[in-house]
Amino acid sequence: GQQVMQIPQYQHVQEGEDFTTYCNSSTTLSNIQWYKQRPGGHPVFLIQLVKSGEVKKQKRLTFQFGEAKKNSSLHITATQTTDVGTYFCAGPRNQGGKLIFGQGTELSVKP
Amino acid sequence: GAVVSQHPSWVICKSGTSVKIECRSLDFQATTMFWYRQFPKQSLMLMATSNEGSKATYEQGVEKDKFLINHASLTLSTLTVTSAHPEDSSFYICSAREGTVLPLHFGNGTRLTVT
Repeated sequence: GQQVMQIPQYQHVQEGEDFTTYCNSSTTLSNIQWYKQRPGGHPVFLIQLVKSGEVKKQKRLTFQFGEAKKNSSLHITATQTTDVGTYFCAGPRNQGGKLIFGQGTELSVKP
Repeated sequence: GAVVSQHPSWVICKSGTSVKIECRSLDFQATTMFWYRQFPKQSLMLMATSNEGSKATYEQGVEKDKFLINHASLTLSTLTVTSAHPEDSSFYICSAREGTVLPLHFGNGTRLTVT
């Protein structure tokens, strides 16, 4: 079945270091979304990418959507302790449009 | 921005009892709401899609008689975990969207512990 895979599962960085999480879909996606979930909290929408090769930035966060619209990445420059949490990518299922979430990448930042 | 309220935030119940979780869209109408389940350090697994005025559609492997969903109005969906067992202990999160427009807005989640 359709799958959305995300790596790595965990990433521990020193504050100030960069961080990247990668998302790969088994099928072409019409769009991809990224969510952040703080420890004990609920997922919060970050961004949606729609176009092939699209790149969007939100301050220190850079999001990319692959040319084939099957992969995506989230890069954080100079991480801060406030970046701690789990980052999920999600893509719509081919049938019905329901969102399929990746496994998430848990980011911890050591001050 | 769109706000989804979920209640209760946490609940502890005894094995065999039923628990009802409410999900409300506070400032928009949601014809569709989604119920997810999340185990510790795992991803969100879609359990069912709640449709206003009609029956919910359940994902494969989810028991509809155990997880009762009612979407009585455009702003309220409820999930009832019937005859709860310890293995039902989990984090349940609802989400909603305005019409067919993404993104999803999530509730704060309900942490259910069955003893």
